[in-house]
Amino acid sequence: QRVTQPEKLLSVFKGAPVELKCNYSYSGSPELFWYVQYSRQRLQLLLRHISRESIKGFTADLNKGETSFHLKKPFAQEEDSAMYYCALKGLSDSNYQLIWGAGTKLIIKP
Amino acid sequence: NAGVMQNPRHLVRRRGQEARLRCSPMKGHSHVYWYRQLPEEGLKFMVYLQKENIIDESGMPKERFSAEFPKEGPSILRIQQVVRGDSAAYFCASSPRTDLNSPLHFGNGTRLTVT
Repeated sequence: QRVTQPEKLLSVFKGAPVELKCNYSYSGSPELFWYVQYSRQRLQLLLRHISRESIKGFTADLNKGETSFHLKKPFAQEEDSAMYYCALKGLSDSNYQLIWGAGTKLIIKP
Repeated sequence: NAGVMQNPRHLVRRRGQEARLRCSPMKGHSHVYWYRQLPEEGLKFMVYLQKENIIDESGMPKERFSAEFPKEGPSILRIQQVVRGDSAAYFCASSPRTDLNSPLHFGNGTRLTVT
């Protein structure tokens, strides 16, 4: 059971598309999440694949064939600069049992 | 609601000393979780407590680490005889209930440095 975020740091210009990569290995049916931590703020849930929602312009699609859950935004904004963590759990697990990736620091350049 | 409060934000200890980390959950939350984040790694679950009870300590090292959540007061994560490898960020989270979809609310973390 593992979550891999291959990029420690991603730097893009404002207005450019953003894609934060997340790959996972899990033996059962996982539920995938993205959490975000803005500077000097607490870790908070950004979105979960089950909800199929778009939050702050971000979307993420679960690709079971490629075991990926990449986070995307078509036009980056400076306020998107933050640490982003991908996490997963089994469908029958509680949220506290999440398995976390090491995180990607996203920097949006003006 | 001030959210989950952790203190201190930064803690420096010499090898062999004790470290005490505190976590006050959000108002109305009776479930507390502790996580450790080693440098360049993801969060790792340590222990889950409900008032006066340890529910799940499967991620807690067997030696030197202990946790409590008394009837009154904050939850305490205690590390005895700290070693350099204990240097990490320690996060606390709380939730109002423990069903499968109960959201976690995180504190700002305590960064422990062992010199």
